[in-house]
Amino acid sequence: GENVEQHPSTLSVQEGDSAVIKCTYSDSASNYFPWYKQELGKRPQLIIDIRSNVGEKKDQRIAVTLNKTAKHFSLHITETQPEDSAVYFCAASIIGRASDKVIFGPGTSLSVIP
Amino acid sequence: SAVISQKPSRDICQRGTSLTIQCQVDSQVTMMFWYRQQPGQSLTLIATANQGSEATYESGFVIDKFPISRPNLTFSTLTVSNMSPEDSSIYLCSVVGQTYEQYFGPGTRLTVT
Repeated sequence: GENVEQHPSTLSVQEGDSAVIKCTYSDSASNYFPWYKQELGKRPQLIIDIRSNVGEKKDQRIAVTLNKTAKHFSLHITETQPEDSAVYFCAASIIGRASDKVIFGPGTSLSVIP
Repeated sequence: SAVISQKPSRDICQRGTSLTIQCQVDSQVTMMFWYRQQPGQSLTLIATANQGSEATYESGFVIDKFPISRPNLTFSTLTVSNMSPEDSSIYLCSVVGQTYEQYFGPGTRLTVT
């Protein structure tokens, strides 16, 4: 089955700096890669996703890149703000398969220091 | 995005008892899932709730411990049976939207004493 790894497990940056979180996946058939942000005590929220036919996607200060050959994908947050502090989860899925289940990475705890 | 509610939001239960968690969605969805999130951990998929048929369980989870019902396309229940302290966790239902985005319910925080 699919296995998703994520690094680093914790990340601390100064406000205004960039943060990068990297993930790898094992199933080459995976074609959908969402990222979730989970603030303390709250549910995971989808912040951006990318599909295998796209190499990069950007939404304001957040961007995601995908390297299908290497089975790597990354989240980039620029101009970080204290409200970006949260746990971020990457995930992988196969759209179109009967179950469509999403497998999550272990998470990265991001702290943005004012 | 779908609006998902869960009941109860939290509960404290005695060892050996069972708790049923309800998940209600404001629109019909094909895919519904149940996850467990232990403190400081990632989300672990328990099972896929199939409408009109038995749920599909992931490795390490069995129907006798986590029976699931899904009578229609907007509702599902997860029962945690014969609870032990190790079952203390947050249980979340989730649904997949028409463009494959996955949304989560607010979660049920379960403490077993």
